Amino acid sequence: EPEVTQTPSHQVTQMGQEVILRCVPISNHLYFYWYRQILGQKVEFLVSFYNNEISEKSEIFDDQFSVERPDGSNFTLKIRSTKLEDSAMYFCASSPFSSRGNGYTFGSGTRLTVV
Amino acid sequence: TQLLEQSPQFLSIQEGENLTVYCNSSSVFSSLQWYRQEPGEGPVLLVTVVTGGEVKKLKRLTFQFGDARKDSSLHITAAQTGDTGLYLCAGGYQGGSEKLVFGKGTKLTVNP
Repeated sequence: EPEVTQTPSHQVTQMGQEVILRCVPISNHLYFYWYRQILGQKVEFLVSFYNNEISEKSEIFDDQFSVERPDGSNFTLKIRSTKLEDSAMYFCASSPFSSRGNGYTFGSGTRLTVV
Repeated sequence: TQLLEQSPQFLSIQEGENLTVYCNSSSVFSSLQWYRQEPGEGPVLLVTVVTGGEVKKLKRLTFQFGDARKDSSLHITAAQTGDTGLYLCAGGYQGGSEKLVFGKGTKLTVNP
């Protein structure tokens, strides 16, 4: 069964450092998303990406965050200067159609620990 | 801000029992999705419901979307130990948004 692949599975970084989280969505999917889940809390929307541009972002997704689809297969989330509160599980997801009426396929996540 | 409240937060039952978990909101959603999440893993989609009053069945799991599209329920018949996990509901915003809003989940434990 097709799956969304995320790397690395676990990333430890020092506060203030830049991190790039990588995702390979399902190949024929058109909509891509990043969500995060702080330990013990809800899964929260960060950003959606369609047709090579951000279609929607949350208030969490400030200037420190950026997304890119550099080569037609990878989908990356960059955090420019990490803060302690960025520690969370980050999930990439993709969908063949608009999420309205369709579900996502999530990756297994990257656990980001900022120290 | 649209919120989804899930209840109960924790549920521990014996194998063979039936159970229902709930997902409620004061807001109307364009769709409602149920996911199951294992520790350290991403959510896995179980079902999507889009029409008010819609009922979908997945083996022993029955999902219902409320008539007003504000609430949903998940009923499990004859629970098995393999049903143990965190069940999340997620609502799709109306008006063209791609965003899903998630509930905190119901942590189900099925004891042998």
